[in-house]
Parts: sequence; structure tokens; C-alpha cells
Amino acid sequence: NAGVTQTPKFRVLKTGQSMTLLCAQDMNHEYMYWYRQDPGMGLRLIHYSVGEGTTAKGEVPDGYNVSRLKKQNFLLGLESAAPSQTSVYFCASSSPTLTGGAEDGYTFGSGTRLTVV
Amino acid sequence: AQTVTQSQPEMSVQEAETVTLSCTYDTSENNYYLFWYKQPPSRQMILVIRQEAYKQQNATENRFSVNFQKAAKSFSLKISDSQLGDTAMYFCAFLRSGSRLTFGEGTQLTVNP
Repeated sequence: NAGVTQTPKFRVLKTGQSMTLLCAQDMNHEYMYWYRQDPGMGLRLIHYSVGEGTTAKGEVPDGYNVSRLKKQNFLLGLESAAPSQTSVYFCASSSPTLTGGAEDGYTFGSGTRLTVV
Repeated sequence: AQTVTQSQPEMSVQEAETVTLSCTYDTSENNYYLFWYKQPPSRQMILVIRQEAYKQQNATENRFSVNFQKAAKSFSLKISDSQLGDTAMYFCAFLRSGSRLTFGEGTQLTVNP
């Protein structure tokens, strides 16, 4: 089925460990995003990409890095995990409209629940 | 920066009744888009309804409709004939052209049998 696929779906890390979350989309979307969801705070943008080879910081980028080497993939890395990074992570993608925006909305993956102990 | 506020952390409604979820936002832009997303226990984010700010007519999708008050910067979601499957977290979101989706805090809706 077409859509956004995130792996893994669950992960437990020890403080200081590193890991990479993978997001893959098969809709040929230009734009991709990483959000984190925390109780009472909604979804907050970590990093995003408007095309292959480009990335930019969002609202809460500290402690994370991203790469978009291929158009269909967007990787989120945690170099040294901290308990404050315990969260549910969502990847999303969208396609630019005629105005250059993404007003048709985003397609989301099913999320990754990460626990850092 | 745009902000989105959902002042109701939790709400409940009886099956078959109508419920309204509130959302306010702050922006200096004139052209933008507003969304309601549903997140059931499966965690999947599902687009419920979308409203373009330049349209005066309120968007409607089956049992879901919005009350968009541009001057008041208010965007509420009305769910009619509530069903058990409507139980979910609902997020209001704002998007202006060239920017990224900004979400409210969410409202947990429970539909009781």
C-alpha cells in the first residue's frame, strides 16, 4: 500500500546510546518531516526537508540530526540519547502545490515509540 | 510565529449525540489553511477535514463540520451522531503557504455507549 513507513515501531534505548529512525515514502513527495509527540504538547517539528539533499531545523532540533540522501527516505538520528527524548516520533510527507506550499495536507507514518532509560 | 490552542484536554459525549471541539489560533497572515486530524489508539494520524482561510463557506465531511470564524481566529470541529469509533485524540493544525504544519495540544474525545 502507498504511504509512509517508519521503522522501527518501538525501541528502548539506554542513555547515551545512538540510533537511527528510518522513514520511507513511495508517493514521490518532495517534502518530508519529523515530528515528536509528547502528552499535552501536540506534535512539534524537529527537522524537515524540502527536497533530496536538503534539510532544515524545525522547532525542537537539539539532540537530533537528519539526512535525506534519497528522495524517498528521511533518516532521524539520535547521537547520544537522553531521557528527555522519550517520545513518539512521527514522519510525514507532502507534495508542493502550485503555490509552493503543502496545502493538500500531510501523509503520516504510524509512529515510533522510543523510550530512553 | 503561529500558535494553535486547544483549551479542552479531554471531552466526552454519549453515542449518537453531538460534540464540538474548540480551537483558536494566532496569526498575522491572511491566507492559510486549517486542519483537524484524528489519532485513534492505533496512533495513526488521519486527516478529518480541511478549511481554506479564503473560503467563507464552512467545510463539511459527512458527520464532521467546522465553524470557521476568521475574525475571531476560531476553528471548531462539530461531530454529529457520535460513534464509538470517533473515540480518539483530535488535533487542530495550522498551515500557511511555504511553512510547516503547526499543531495544537490535542483534545482526547471519548464516546460513551
